Formats: sequence, structure tokens, C-alpha cells
Amino acid sequence: KAGVTQTPRYLIKTRGQQVTLSCSPISGHRSVSWYQQTPGQGLQFLFEYFSETQRNKGNFPGRFSGRQFSNSRSEMNVSTLELGDSALYLCASSFGSWETQYFGPGTRLLVL
Amino acid sequence: AQKITQTQPGMFVQEKEAVTLDCTYDTSDPSYGLFWYKQPSSGEMIFLIYQGSYDQQNATEGRYSLNFQKARKSANLVISASQLGDSAMYFCAMREGGSSNTGKLIFGQGTTLQVKP
Repeated sequence: KAGVTQTPRYLIKTRGQQVTLSCSPISGHRSVSWYQQTPGQGLQFLFEYFSETQRNKGNFPGRFSGRQFSNSRSEMNVSTLELGDSALYLCASSFGSWETQYFGPGTRLLVL
Repeated sequence: AQKITQTQPGMFVQEKEAVTLDCTYDTSDPSYGLFWYKQPSSGEMIFLIYQGSYDQQNATEGRYSLNFQKARKSANLVISASQLGDSAMYFCAMREGGSSNTGKLIFGQGTTLQVKP
């Protein structure tokens, strides 16, 4: 089985721009969770999608949003980028919301 | 309060020796799960092992075992026969029950392990 894939792997943007990251889960997995990893804050939960519905959201501003498609692929969007949004963004998929999460390779976002 | 605490920022171990990475957790939920992940420098988080709060026996997966002490709220990872490829950052994570925690893992700050030849 193919693992979780994320595109793009690296991204450089400037302040004020917006960005969309994509995540394709393991085949058959319906839950996708997103995390932000920074040296200062560590790994923080952004949100979880299951069957195209956002079921949980972390403590992030409204600039961070996401969606899930009928094939379980998910996208997250960050609008009006700030320097502090520079991070590794990881997505994880699981069969159900309470099952073990398997992570993708991440997208490294640098905001200049 | 920190829900997951990993007190060892960095550790060294000699190749072929065993090493224990510490993790303590804090939750009042009787139903929870504990996970260990490995993150090499490439960035991908690799699942290693899982322990459920109701599991009676310690989990084992190959060279990895989880020393689960429920009363002490600790879930230490033991790696036996360390290999050079084990050099990485290791994260302890917890999943709590309840609808407000669906799909959410809480991570510790991680421990960097370096295996010496």
C-alpha cells in the first residue's frame, strides 16, 4: 500500500500571500489530521477531517482552513501568510478518527 | 500543564546497546492511547508502537517495547540492540477520548537520540 503523500514538499512564499497544501491519505483511510511543527512550539494539531467534514479544530486563527474531498484527499489553506507560519506541515491519515495515525513526509513552508 | 513530558532533550547510546526514552503523561480521561513516533532528519514521522490505556500487557514491536506504568503515568520507550539508523528524534504522543479530541494527538517536545558506532 502506498503511504501518505504530501505536495509540494517545499514552498517559499512572501508575507501576505496565501498557500494551499495537499495531502493524499493511505487508500481506505477516511480521517486526515493536520499538524504544524515549529522549533519553538513543537507539534500542534490544526484540524481533522472525516468524510468531508471537519470534526475537530485546534487553536489556530481563522487564516488556517482546510477541506476534504470525497476521495479523502485533503487540502489546507493558509491565507495572509505571516513570518511565523514558517513551519513543517504534516498530515496524517487513519482508518477512523481513533485509529493509529500514519504521517506523510511533510511540506516545509518558508515565509519571507 | 504539559500533557506529555519528555525530560530528555538529547541522549547518546552505543551501537548494540539498549536505551530507554522517558515519557510521562497527564490525563483524567480513563480511555486514552499512547504512541511513539520516530522522526529522522528528513521530517517524516514514523509510527513505532501503540499502548491503549486498558491494555494489560506492555506493547512490543520488534526491537521496540513500551514500558507502561499506568499508576505512575509513564510510557517509556525501550529500544533494544540500537542501530546507527535509530539516530533520530523520538516523540511520545497521547490521544484522549471524547468528541473534542477526535483525530487529535498531543505530542511531547521530543528526545534526540544519537547512536554511536
